[in-house]
Amino acid sequence: LAKTTQPISMDSYEGQEVNITCSHNNIATNDYITWYQQFPSQGPRFIIQGYKTKVTNEVASLFIPADRKSSTLSLPRVSLSDTAVYYCLVGAPGAGSYQLTFGKGTKLSVIP
Amino acid sequence: EAQVTQNPRYLITVTGKKLTVTCSQNMNHEYMSWYRQDPGLGLRQIYYSMNVEVTDKGDVPEGYKVSRKEKRNFPLILESPSPNQTSLYFCASSPLSGTSTYEQYFGPGTRLTVT
Repeated sequence: LAKTTQPISMDSYEGQEVNITCSHNNIATNDYITWYQQFPSQGPRFIIQGYKTKVTNEVASLFIPADRKSSTLSLPRVSLSDTAVYYCLVGAPGAGSYQLTFGKGTKLSVIP
Repeated sequence: EAQVTQNPRYLITVTGKKLTVTCSQNMNHEYMSWYRQDPGLGLRQIYYSMNVEVTDKGDVPEGYKVSRKEKRNFPLILESPSPNQTSLYFCASSPLSGTSTYEQYFGPGTRLTVT
């Protein structure tokens, strides 16, 4: 399983774009990158997943450079309700193991 | 409504008293998993199951047992709880289908305190 490294915390003002980077230097060829969001007092929820280049959905965008050794979760124009912990996961289910390793996540605080 | 339910939501118990936290999902998912969440340590996987009667250890299995006798249920058993198992526990489920396995649905959590 590829090890991931994220900043422990970030602060942002409302209305700004926020970019959270995850480092995964030993990512394997078949690995995908998945991000989760966890609001206080709730379970995590899946927000986006990608393999290379760019993926966008109604919640966020995910940018993955060609070497895939890092990825960036981008949240456009954040609001107070985006205050949460964001987790990056890297792995390829079925490629030897179905174990999931979440890591410590990045606590995003949005300031009014 | 598609959901993962856990019971109880809150539990205070004493050292050594066996307990079971139940988890049930209504999405016909093959993959189910238990996590514990502790301050500063993030989410750590305890056990997971790929289908009925198929379970495997995660990162922190010591002191826990699981069983998967039915597809929808995946109970977590603490045979002899200790204070270091005081934590917030989450159950999750997902399809066992390529990258969809990583699109997990989480339950609301069970806050366990062992005194």
